[in-house]
Order: sequence, then C-alpha cells, then structure tokens
Amino acid sequence: SQQGEEDPQALSIQEGENATMNCSYKTSINNLQWYRQNSGRGLVHLILIRSNEREKHSGRLRVTLDTSKKSSSLLITASRAADTASYFCATSNEGSNYQLIWGAGTKLIIKP
Amino acid sequence: NAGVTQTPKFQVLKTGQSMTLQCAQDMNHNSMYWYRQDPGMGLRLIYYSASEGTTDKGEVPNGYNVSRLNKREFSLRLESAAPSQTSVYFCASSAGWGIGETQYFGPGTRLLVL
Repeated sequence: SQQGEEDPQALSIQEGENATMNCSYKTSINNLQWYRQNSGRGLVHLILIRSNEREKHSGRLRVTLDTSKKSSSLLITASRAADTASYFCATSNEGSNYQLIWGAGTKLIIKP
Repeated sequence: NAGVTQTPKFQVLKTGQSMTLQCAQDMNHNSMYWYRQDPGMGLRLIYYSASEGTTDKGEVPNGYNVSRLNKREFSLRLESAAPSQTSVYFCASSAGWGIGETQYFGPGTRLLVL
C-alpha cells in the first residue's frame, strides 16, 4: 500500500526557476524523507524531517511538514539541469514497523 | 568504498527459470532491504533483514526468498520466475532498524521475465 502520494506526477520548468512538489500521506508518521532518483539509477537520500519539525533546509532544498494536513512539500530553488530526476517521499511510523512507505514520485524536468 | 553493489545489472529469464540477485554493502550496516520498482509506482518492500541472522517479509514477498549470508550480503532468489516479476529490483541498507534511518541504495537490477 502506498502511504505517500506525490503531486504533481510530472513537472517541467526552466532552468533557474523554483520547483515545488508535494507529498500527502494517510496515517500519522514519525518522520518523512525525500529521495532523488536519476534516470536508471538508485535512489539517493536528500533530507529527513521529523514529525515535530515544521521546516528543514539543506543547500537549495527546503522541506516543510504540516502534520495537521498530513502533507509535506519539497522546494528546490534556482533549479539546474542536474536536478532533472524523479523525487520520492517516504514515510515511517511505528504502526508500519518502521518500514519506509513510498509514494509514486514526481518526475522533474529542468529545461535549459 | 563502493557503498551498495548489486549483480547482475540486467537479466532476461524465461517463465519458470530461477535466479538469485546478489547484494553487498561495505558500510558495516546492520539492516538490508530488497525492493521492486514498477512503472508509475513507488518502491515496494519485498523482504528485509533488520539485523544479521534475521529476515522478515515486506509488502510483496510472494514468489521470493532471501538469505542474509553475513552482515555484508543479502541475496534475493526467484525460484520460478513469472512475467509479473518483471521489474527493477533495488537493494538498500541502513545503519540500523528503526525510526529515521536513512537508506542507501544500489544501482538496481533490471529483470525481464518472458
């Protein structure tokens, strides 16, 4: 079963613009993680936000978490061609025995 | 330091054939995972090993078996492959099992079952 659902499914923007993608989930969580997957490659961890946190930053990445709405957003500022990838959210909670439950991902294309 | 490695990269099987996917990590991680990724879907957990000597079923274990050979290696076996098992398989590892563990992924194995 998929806990997280990313929105939009696909996003195409110009290089230099900001990209925002969203993740909604169904049950309460302990933490939420974002991963990136370049075409044909394995996933790479980007950032983790805990349920008692509202915002986290890492370089050009900003993640917010709204537990009342059961949603998170990932903002990539000043996008670059190298940011072209699929982005996945994954949630973890005690009820799922700490297994990561994954969304279907947002495919981001940065146009030069 | 290679991280997580998987072999083979690609494999074509006929229905009913068997094969083993190999995974190894050199980060001294305790926990290891096998996922499958199908088009338009997120990762689905097949089996995991929270620590050396233990294995448990994930969301989609039917048709698969695993072996945690030692702390480094975690293999996935398809005893009798079916077309529904055509997918990309990822192995991952994490330092431990529990809340907030970051997972590190291998490059994947692309499997086609005819």
